[in-house]
Amino acid sequence: AQSVTQPDIHITVSEGASLELRCNYSYGATPYLFWYVQSPGQGLQLLLKYFSGDTLVQGIKGFEAEFKRSQSSFNLRKPSVHWSDAAEYFCAVGKNSGGSNYKLTFGKGTLLTVNP
Amino acid sequence: GAVVSQHPSWVICKSGTSVKIECRSLDFQATTMFWYRQFPKQSLMLMATSNEGSKATYEQGVEKDKFLINHASLTLSTLTVTSAHPEDSSFYICSATGLAGVVGNEQFFGPGTRLTVL
Repeated sequence: AQSVTQPDIHITVSEGASLELRCNYSYGATPYLFWYVQSPGQGLQLLLKYFSGDTLVQGIKGFEAEFKRSQSSFNLRKPSVHWSDAAEYFCAVGKNSGGSNYKLTFGKGTLLTVNP
Repeated sequence: GAVVSQHPSWVICKSGTSVKIECRSLDFQATTMFWYRQFPKQSLMLMATSNEGSKATYEQGVEKDKFLINHASLTLSTLTVTSAHPEDSSFYICSATGLAGVVGNEQFFGPGTRLTVL
């Protein structure tokens, strides 16, 4: 069965500093990989996803992630964090569940705090 | 992006009563909807997958008689927690996908429903 590990429960960075959120996955085949952000009162929003091709994926809000098969990792990065980036971030792996759909397995999330 | 709503956003009920949570896709037809449960400081756990007009498929360990899912139309799925108990208190989140046949079509998430059972 697939699994996702986000080693950091809580990260605090200063506004303007760079950010890297770690994600490791366990999956037997080529994974579908995702990063979501969850803000209070709002649904999870997709930041970016990797299905195949270029291992460096660009997403919304200036985020990017790099798929490294040898390390089973899909770390999320942002060169300069804004106060509005404070939220909970979830990494997820998708397993095809038939047709065009997939089931998501989520990590436990990393809470990002941004100091002014 | 596509919008998914949930109603109610929070509900408090007495132990032994049933609670219905609605999940609606507002601007697209959702061929498949998913229901998740999220415990505090935990990840989202997939409970079940429902396709419009079909019976839901439940994940291992999820009681189908406890969590009744109906997906009667392409824009509405409901989750009914029957005979709720305090251990059912949780944050319930739905997601929806459309564009059947598009590989890797995105799941759009609702804002969640906070259920508290007294």
